[in-house]
Amino acid sequence: EIVLTQSPGTLSLSPGERATLSCRASQSVSSTYLAWYQQKPGQAPRLLIYGASNRATGIPDRFSGSGSGTDFTLTISRLEPEDFAVYYCHQYGNSPWTFGQGTKVEIK
Amino acid sequence: QITLKESGPTLVKPTQTLTLTCTFSGFSLSTSGVGVGWIRQPPGKALEWLAVIYWNDNKQYSPSLKTRVTITKDTSKNQVVLTMTNMDPVDTATYYCAHRRSSVYGGNSVFDFWGQGNLVTVSS
Repeated sequence: EIVLTQSPGTLSLSPGERATLSCRASQSVSSTYLAWYQQKPGQAPRLLIYGASNRATGIPDRFSGSGSGTDFTLTISRLEPEDFAVYYCHQYGNSPWTFGQGTKVEIK
Repeated sequence: QITLKESGPTLVKPTQTLTLTCTFSGFSLSTSGVGVGWIRQPPGKALEWLAVIYWNDNKQYSPSLKTRVTITKDTSKNQVVLTMTNMDPVDTATYYCAHRRSSVYGGNSVFDFWGQGNLVTVSS
């Protein structure tokens, strides 16, 4: 099973700042099969990025994904008030598909 | 417009069997490449993938739960059913169903549309 480790656990930032979230895999993940989700309290996860760097439909361009192999990054260029949430990375190339433990982006 | 909705009990007793139904619209489970999966999330914790079923009735299960979980589909009713036996308090979680379509058939292979979730509490 591929274990995904996200860092940091919590990121305290102000609106307008840049957020950089990391996802490290215990073994190589095909970049074709790495995704990022955003989750707000009481809501289902929302797909942001798939294939490591492809934005899902309707996702603003301030969200970008990058990386390959075992190291992947989600960047939010300028935080908007609605971006404060928990973010999960997810690999769906090797069964069992797995998720990271999440990074919470909170208002500083 | 793709939508999914989970339905089922909110409270089950230990050792009982849980049955959850995912009713969807906006796509068909008879379309090549389409799948519906189940993912759960204990309160305050991370997401865990459980199972997926495809248009051709192929199924995949998480190895850690394979002996307890069964996934089936009723294409005519646009429904997918998850059954989990021998429920335990550690199975308390919100259970989500989600859509995916294989990239081989023009999709992105990822869970792209999710239901709102069904919170299931396991307690006597």
